[in-house]
Amino acid sequence: RKEVEQDPGPFNVPEGATVAFNCTYSNSASQSFFWYRQDCRKEPKLLMSVYSSGNEDGRFTAQLNRASQYISLLIRDSKLSDSATYLCVVTHSGNTPLVFGKGTRLSVIA
Amino acid sequence: DTGVSQDPRHKITKRGQNVTFRCDPISEHNRLYWYRQTLGQGPEFLTYFQNEAQLEKSRLLSDRFSAERPKGSFSTLEIQRTEQGDSAMYLCASSLIGEADAGGYTFGSGTRLTVV
Repeated sequence: RKEVEQDPGPFNVPEGATVAFNCTYSNSASQSFFWYRQDCRKEPKLLMSVYSSGNEDGRFTAQLNRASQYISLLIRDSKLSDSATYLCVVTHSGNTPLVFGKGTRLSVIA
Repeated sequence: DTGVSQDPRHKITKRGQNVTFRCDPISEHNRLYWYRQTLGQGPEFLTYFQNEAQLEKSRLLSDRFSAERPKGSFSTLEIQRTEQGDSAMYLCASSLIGEADAGGYTFGSGTRLTVV
């Protein structure tokens, strides 16, 4: 079993839709959590950090449930430019490297 | 250019040949990471350096793989006797120690290796 599990999708949604991605992690020692975005044939880039209290950045909201070891990302009012792969990422501490899920592919359709 | 640079961008090699990739991190970053990504998968950790010290190696890093960061600046990743299963995107990232906790990795554009 992978340490970070994500539904690979693809999620095909119309412009303006709200879409939610989920992720679970298996290591209860995980301390930091992130969502990265990766465009086709490009490098991953940090989208946002995830906190138990929730984290909102414009149309994007991320949430962490430590008890369930579950991370979510909500995208409201989807844009064509949101089409990408969204990677769920955890780390055990600042001294350990990032652990990536396999990613969830999103296609926003006009 | 103040980002992470990787060279070459693409490499096609015959099975059994040796290849070497280079990564130039952001100059003030003391951490440097190597990841491998295959189609449909997320990046998988290979190894990382803090300054010139190699602190951790994944079990994915077989004896055919070796990485160095001799002066704590650029790094090289060498694959000996390449196999078709080595075909992947090799990603380098760098960070400051204090920013790693905040996910503050900067990735390079990667080196895409094809073994034929």
